[in-house]
Amino acid sequence: RKEVEQDPGPFNVPEGATVAFNCTYSNSASQSFFWYRQDCRKEPKLLMSVYSSGNEDGRFTAQLNRASQYISLLIRDSKLSDSATYLCAILTGGGNKLTFGTGTQLKVEL
Amino acid sequence: NAGVTQTPKFQVLKTGQSMTLQCAQDMNHEYMSWYRQDPGMGLRLIHYSVGAGITDQGEVPNGYNVSRSTTEDFPLRLLSAAPSQTSVYFCASSYEGELPLHFGNGTRLTVT
Repeated sequence: RKEVEQDPGPFNVPEGATVAFNCTYSNSASQSFFWYRQDCRKEPKLLMSVYSSGNEDGRFTAQLNRASQYISLLIRDSKLSDSATYLCAILTGGGNKLTFGTGTQLKVEL
Repeated sequence: NAGVTQTPKFQVLKTGQSMTLQCAQDMNHEYMSWYRQDPGMGLRLIHYSVGAGITDQGEVPNGYNVSRSTTEDFPLRLLSAAPSQTSVYFCASSYEGELPLHFGNGTRLTVT
């Protein structure tokens, strides 16, 4: 089983829709969790950290479910500009070594 | 503030050639790392460093060497390029013990 797994998509949604992605992880000792956004042929950029209590940043909500070992990202009122690949990243063990999922592609359409 | 700078942006090599991918950061980050990104495989850690003079292997280190002689620079060397090393390479840095990682804009390498 992969350490971090994501549904690759693509998720094709109409503008204004709500869409959610999950990312499952295998190591119960994982400590920190992040969502990155990657535009086509660009570098990943941090979208948001994921806190145990859940956190929200505008239209984006991230949640952590330790019991079931997954994190989620909810995007409300999707915009065309949200079209990108969303990568989850998880820190397990010491140091700063992040393990990334393969990414979920989102396409927001008119 | 330049952040993390990678050069070159694009490179084509023939099998067996060697080259060095450059990475420099101006944020005084202790931690630096190299990832490769392939379709369907996500980002995989090649090598990392927690400070000058200290390097360690990641998930996929074979075929790559690194060194860290200064805090700012973390070059990645391919000693004998193979087609399997065709990929997009990202350098990333952060303060040690702190996240998130800051990524450079990548080097697209093709080995023919």
